[in-house]
Amino acid sequence: AQSVTQLGSHVSVSEGALVLLRCNYSSSVPPYLFWYVQYPNQGLQLLLKYTSAATLVKGINGFEAEFKKSETSFHLTKPSAHMSDAAEYFCAVSGGSNYKLTFGKGTLLTVNP
Amino acid sequence: GAVVSQHPSRVICKSGTSVKIECRSLDFQATTMFWYRQFPKQSLMLMATSNEGSKATYEQGVEKDKFLINHASLTLSTLTVTSAHPEDSSFYICSARTVWGADTQYFGPGTRLTVL
Repeated sequence: AQSVTQLGSHVSVSEGALVLLRCNYSSSVPPYLFWYVQYPNQGLQLLLKYTSAATLVKGINGFEAEFKKSETSFHLTKPSAHMSDAAEYFCAVSGGSNYKLTFGKGTLLTVNP
Repeated sequence: GAVVSQHPSRVICKSGTSVKIECRSLDFQATTMFWYRQFPKQSLMLMATSNEGSKATYEQGVEKDKFLINHASLTLSTLTVTSAHPEDSSFYICSARTVWGADTQYFGPGTRLTVL
């Protein structure tokens, strides 16, 4: 069984500030972890993924995430927010042979000028 | 690479009619495709897993006779909403799993279905 908890349904930051979106997971098998971004009325775009290689994962658009097994966390960060980062962000976990994704409820990121 | 398209992007239909949504992997072969449903301001809920050449596997609570899924080729899966009703109005998103990066799903742009 798998589950994902995203702390904070809405995060607001100023342009240029640090972005931190939190994700905790539970999984009965070694997990694969993903962050996706969704712009309004669009599908999901893969930002980055962890698949048991390096624990610090770098993704697109300057985002990165660190897998911490002891904390069962996979928080997403970006040093300096840009207006174009405003979107909904979903953390997801998969595990086992069927690669089904279980999504968190999402975090809406707003970036203030 | 790994582009997934959906057609149509928006559809409005009358109650009682059927609607077909196509999901295509444009530059890769997808042995497995997934269909999700997303309600406004909510997360994605997996409806079914579609494997090429075999019957789809539906998640608990999803009516397989209402949401017909066909995965006839390695690049095309279709979702047909039969006898649609207003409560079926939603955003439907498909994803495809590549053969070479089997752990990753690539998502289509979604289809907004409105049933009047």
